[in-house]
Amino acid sequence: NAGVMQNPRHLVRRRGQEARLRCSPMKGHSHVYWYRQLPEEGLKFMVYLQKENIIDESGMPKERFSAEFPKEGPSILRIQQVVRGDSAAYFCASSAGTANTEAFFGQGTRLTVV
Amino acid sequence: AQKITQTQPGMFVQEKEAVTLDCTYDTSDPSYGLFWYKQPSSGEMIFLIYQGSYDQQNATEGRYSLNFQKARKSANLVISASQLGDSAMYFCAMREVGGFKTIFGAGTRLFVKA
Repeated sequence: NAGVMQNPRHLVRRRGQEARLRCSPMKGHSHVYWYRQLPEEGLKFMVYLQKENIIDESGMPKERFSAEFPKEGPSILRIQQVVRGDSAAYFCASSAGTANTEAFFGQGTRLTVV
Repeated sequence: AQKITQTQPGMFVQEKEAVTLDCTYDTSDPSYGLFWYKQPSSGEMIFLIYQGSYDQQNATEGRYSLNFQKARKSANLVISASQLGDSAMYFCAMREVGGFKTIFGAGTRLFVKA
């Protein structure tokens, strides 16, 4: 019964490149959440997806960031034309529902933009 | 708007002693859940304990207990018999019942001394 799997664990990109972060939810979970953690800060909500649908993306930057959760395969957080300020830990969480259910977190992807 | 406040950036505790990590919250929603997570230096987010706003008793999980004072809007984490492995960042978080955004505090870094 694998937990939430994120890969890669560490990602280094040069400014202007694209970063793709993947998240496979726990088995049986159809709700996925992405959070960003800047150094020495708490996690900040970015986007909430169910299969094939973006439910809320109020925490996503307006430009360069996108997320998807296709019918088959993992959820993808995509950052185009990365800048130094995108360097952070990106966490994915999944849950079976929203009604007070615990969200299980993955181990995070640490993005470093050089 | 929901808000979580953790006023202790860092805490020291002697091994085998108990320690309390403070958390206050603000919400206008009558139904919500409160969470504590541990983030060791390896970076993953580890769920520790959950308290529902309508739960009559304080939550406990092994050496962790949550001192929930609803009228004061506080949800302090108590760790009994501290161990060296408890040294980590600790985050208090909140989510409305039926909601999907988890709001995190800024965290408290706990140092356990031998």
